[in-house]
Amino acid sequence: EVQLVESGGGLVKPGGSLRLSCAASGFTLSSYGMNWVRQAPGEGLEWVSSISGGSRYLYYTDSVKGRFTISRDNAKSSVYLQMNSLRAEDTAVYYCARIFGGFDHSGSDYWGQGTLVTVSS
Amino acid sequence: EIVLTQSPGTLSLSPGERATLSCRAGQSVSRDSLAWYQQKPGQAPRLLIYGASIRATGIPDRFSGSGSGTDFTLTISRLEPEDFAVYYCQQYGSSPLTFGGGTKVEIK
Repeated sequence: EVQLVESGGGLVKPGGSLRLSCAASGFTLSSYGMNWVRQAPGEGLEWVSSISGGSRYLYYTDSVKGRFTISRDNAKSSVYLQMNSLRAEDTAVYYCARIFGGFDHSGSDYWGQGTLVTVSS
Repeated sequence: EIVLTQSPGTLSLSPGERATLSCRAGQSVSRDSLAWYQQKPGQAPRLLIYGASIRATGIPDRFSGSGSGTDFTLTISRLEPEDFAVYYCQQYGSSPLTFGGGTKVEIK
């Protein structure tokens, strides 16, 4: 059974940093690209970042470029999102999701339950 | 960036009725790279349809997707109680990946 479990969310002050982790199980992580998608309270879904299976290709939405860094450790079956210079508008539930079809940058077939990041003073 | 506009914002229907949800793209979605997701309160999204019309694993056949280019439709042939939720479309043909604003299907 495919499982994705996010951790690392919490309350952080504007300008602060957080590192989100996503623990994957039930499939060979190295064979799949991975996405981070976020959802602000009461709002819709927003794609944040993607990483290819071998980490060669990285993608970011414009609003996080230069502030967020996606990475992965296939040996540890984990994907990460390092978030720096956090802003109030980054407040959201962050979902880790597996990219379908073996693509590097695409939609997602399995999602974690999400971790809440709150940026507030 | 491809903007996706979903309509209507809210659809009020009764169980057993047919639901038709629209997703319109501001420019053509390449290779019909369009997915639909269902999200219930407090839960993660669930993939329903990809490639505009291909049902994901385990999705009942009352869900169907159609369309190409800029106009896409998700149809739920007969609403079951568990189908009342918010539905999002997403294009993945070009970067950045974008989602529509969602359609809420509520019980009338």
